[in-house]
Amino acid sequence: GQNIDQPTEMTATEGAIVQINCTYQTSGFNGLFWYQQHAGEAPTFLSYNVLDGLEEKGRFSSFLSRSKGYSYLLLKELQMKDSASYLCAVPFNTDKLIFGTGTRLQVFP
Amino acid sequence: GAGVSQSPSNKVTEKGKDVELRCDPISGHTALYWYRQSLGQGLEFLIYFQGNSAPDKSGLPSDRFSAERTGGSVSTLTIQRTQQEDSAVYLCASSLVGGENIQYFGAGTRLSVL
Repeated sequence: GQNIDQPTEMTATEGAIVQINCTYQTSGFNGLFWYQQHAGEAPTFLSYNVLDGLEEKGRFSSFLSRSKGYSYLLLKELQMKDSASYLCAVPFNTDKLIFGTGTRLQVFP
Repeated sequence: GAGVSQSPSNKVTEKGKDVELRCDPISGHTALYWYRQSLGQGLEFLIYFQGNSAPDKSGLPSDRFSAERTGGSVSTLTIQRTQQEDSAVYLCASSLVGGENIQYFGAGTRLSVL
């Protein structure tokens, strides 16, 4: 079966760095997605990892270790607008996504 | 259109009534997905359409739920005889099949069953 775990809530200070972890168990692996969702809005795509290692996109980076079933999203130079939920998701049966419950990040000044 | 459009954005209904939720995907996207997001829960897959293939209905929670996609574009999710536990945000997403298959989401319909 498929299972994804991520922390429910995290807090951080503006300007700091925060790491949001995601562990998954899946039969077959076709990559891992991170989405950002502000309250009341659509989830928006952040990153997709299919190979091991770190991928950097500006202030956001995503890391994947397939052997450990582990990923993290790293947010640097936090801004107030980064307060949102961060959703980890893996595809199953090729096209559908199974999502974790999401990590709600609150950034304080 | 520029993005995935869903309507209505909010729907309040009485228990036992039927509701229809609409999704207009990104032009040219052949895949369309419906998800449900309940308070404090992750996104729950409901149904998936891909081109002219038979839809994958494996996520529908009961036979009160159905969906159709007309002309390979607009989709309607119908919930019959609504129950209070159906209250949730219903999200639609579309994607170009193949490659990274990134799903692009609409803002959702918030359904409240009283």
